[in-house]
Amino acid sequence: DSGVTQTPKHLITATGQRVTLRCSPRSGDLSVYWYQQSLDQGLQFLIQYYNGEERAKGNILERFSAQQFPDLHSELNLSSLELGDSALYFCASSVEASGTSGNTIYFGEGSWLTVV
Amino acid sequence: GENVEQHPSTLSVQEGDSAVIKCTYSDSASNYFPWYKQELGKRPQLIIDIRSNVGEKKDQRIAVTLNKTAKHFSLHITETQPEDSAVYFCAASSSSRYGGSQGNLIFGKGTKLSVKP
Repeated sequence: DSGVTQTPKHLITATGQRVTLRCSPRSGDLSVYWYQQSLDQGLQFLIQYYNGEERAKGNILERFSAQQFPDLHSELNLSSLELGDSALYFCASSVEASGTSGNTIYFGEGSWLTVV
Repeated sequence: GENVEQHPSTLSVQEGDSAVIKCTYSDSASNYFPWYKQELGKRPQLIIDIRSNVGEKKDQRIAVTLNKTAKHFSLHITETQPEDSAVYFCAASSSSRYGGSQGNLIFGKGTKLSVKP
């Protein structure tokens, strides 16, 4: 158990709908990252938050948005869903924002999203 | 931004043999290079990492080497066992617009390692 909690574990929804994925980082971690993993694909970085502020943005679609709340949990909102959005969405957390010493990134178990 | 290339995409070895996976990165500002192991449907788990001030690191049967000049790093698994079968991802920390490295990792596309008994 990494200490990073994600809900829901599985989600099936129809095209055009909107879903929210939730993540609670490890206790004490200030940084939260979201990654998308499609079938046979690697881990695509979407976005990073540090202590409530957006820190870095990757290949995140405009239909997707995220935020980190004062209690440090984060939500990833996916709207106008398309079939191609079906993927495993991972949240990860780390203590600091920078990739320097001691900044190991831990992944949650992921949220399986199926768009039908 | 950072770009990470990983080779090979699939690797099949006999139990007891060694396995080597290689990655190259593009951003000279990257200074942190972890390796993750992912079993089917599970979360990526960190198995070893190396920082730019070190050329080699070893942990039992697993070792990682880093060549900053050439911008490549490799994972070496010796005495492979069937339970080593998984997808392995290399990653590099991306550079920050503020200078230095960022926390977010850019991953290679993964190597599916199969260890045959």
